[in-house]
Amino acid sequence: RKEVEQDPGPFNVPEGATVAFNCTYSNSASQSFFWYRQDCRKEPKLLMSVYSSGNEDGRFTAQLNRASQYISLLIRDSKLSDSATYLCVVSYGGSQGNLIFGKGTKLSVKP
Amino acid sequence: NAGVTQTPKFRILKIGQSMTLQCTQDMNHNYMYWYRQDPGMGLKLIYYSVGAGITDKGEVPNGYNVSRSTTEDFPLRLELAAPSQTSVYFCASRSPRLAGDDEQFFGPGTRLTVL
Repeated sequence: RKEVEQDPGPFNVPEGATVAFNCTYSNSASQSFFWYRQDCRKEPKLLMSVYSSGNEDGRFTAQLNRASQYISLLIRDSKLSDSATYLCVVSYGGSQGNLIFGKGTKLSVKP
Repeated sequence: NAGVTQTPKFRILKIGQSMTLQCTQDMNHNYMYWYRQDPGMGLKLIYYSVGAGITDKGEVPNGYNVSRSTTEDFPLRLELAAPSQTSVYFCASRSPRLAGDDEQFFGPGTRLTVL
């Protein structure tokens, strides 16, 4: 069974904090990796793709370790607007692009 | 572009009733997907389609049916609704440039309660 595991949290942090989320996946044949963001009672939206070389988008840094089947997301200088659930997502289905979603890690940034 | 639209936003069904959840996208995407999300759980794939006339089962297809007669529309049919189908249903679409490496765009969801 293909699975993606995440710490459900919640992570309660003050504004300006640095917070890290971790994720592991079970299928070594997984091809593509993503972090999606889901606000309360809203649809998921792509935050960033994750590459083996690591990638950064402003305050957000994502890392992938294929050997350990491990994905991470680092958020620096947390903002109130970062409060959401962060979904670790893995693609395994070839050209169909079928996705396996983790249950999500809830982040709450406090003033 | 409206993106991916879903109707209805909310629905309450009685056990045994049937309904169709509508999904439409105006981005000319070939690939479309239906997911369900139970409280505190990740999204699970119900059905997907790689183009008009082509559909296939995902992880949790039992109790559902789909059709894809046009590129734009991908309705999900529930027959004989059961309480276990109480969930939030998301439709998504994708336009692949590279295999497996493209963003899925989600609709706003349909919240379904079966009593």
